[in-house]
Amino acid sequence: QVKLQESGPGLVRPSQTLSLTCTVSGDSILVNGYYWNWIRQHPGKGLEWIGYIDYNWSPYYNPSLKSRVTISMDASKNQFSLELSSVTAADTAVYYCAREGVYFYDSTSSGENWFDPWGQGTLVTVSS
Amino acid sequence: SSELTQDPAVSVPLGQTVRITCQGDSLSSFSASWYQQKPGQAPVLVIYGQDNRPSGIPDRFSGSRSGNTASLTITGAQADDEADYYCNSRDSSGNSFFGTGTEVIV
Repeated sequence: QVKLQESGPGLVRPSQTLSLTCTVSGDSILVNGYYWNWIRQHPGKGLEWIGYIDYNWSPYYNPSLKSRVTISMDASKNQFSLELSSVTAADTAVYYCAREGVYFYDSTSSGENWFDPWGQGTLVTVSS
Repeated sequence: SSELTQDPAVSVPLGQTVRITCQGDSLSSFSASWYQQKPGQAPVLVIYGQDNRPSGIPDRFSGSRSGNTASLTITGAQADDEADYYCNSRDSSGNSFFGTGTEVIV
């Protein structure tokens, strides 16, 4: 059974960089076909996709956050990480890591995807 | 538009059937997946693909799609089904989108 666990500081000062790590257990992070995602949820709000790193070590980011986000992988530790720079109070949220499976139909332009499993989430507060 | 739109809330009597819809352009290419989220907990996958349920998800949950609209149906809603439900899809570029969320009140 694959499990994901987020870790990192719960408090970050404004203008600093938020850094979180997701530790994966139960399977290798290099298994072909999976995408390793970060997703956040502002207090009382919906889910916002941040980005992923795939099994080829290629990252892809939400265009709205792209200028501030870096997602990386440490295969030796079976971990992937999130860095979000220049944070403000608007970045206060619960941050989740999740594994995404993707199945393409006849081309990469159509298919299906799913996020499973998810980590339990970690609240990060941006405040001075 | 890349947004996925859901009704904010829906109420269903115990044991009755409720359908939650999700509308968006990306759904014409990528099937929706659905997530149940209870207060203070991480989302849980309940439906993915055309109509697939992960292990452990009751068969009262089912999914469907018609054009740009995906639906999650709970047949015989139970008190334990009271939660927020989110749809998700992606586009061919790799961008992922979550729906605005629907609160189901049983």
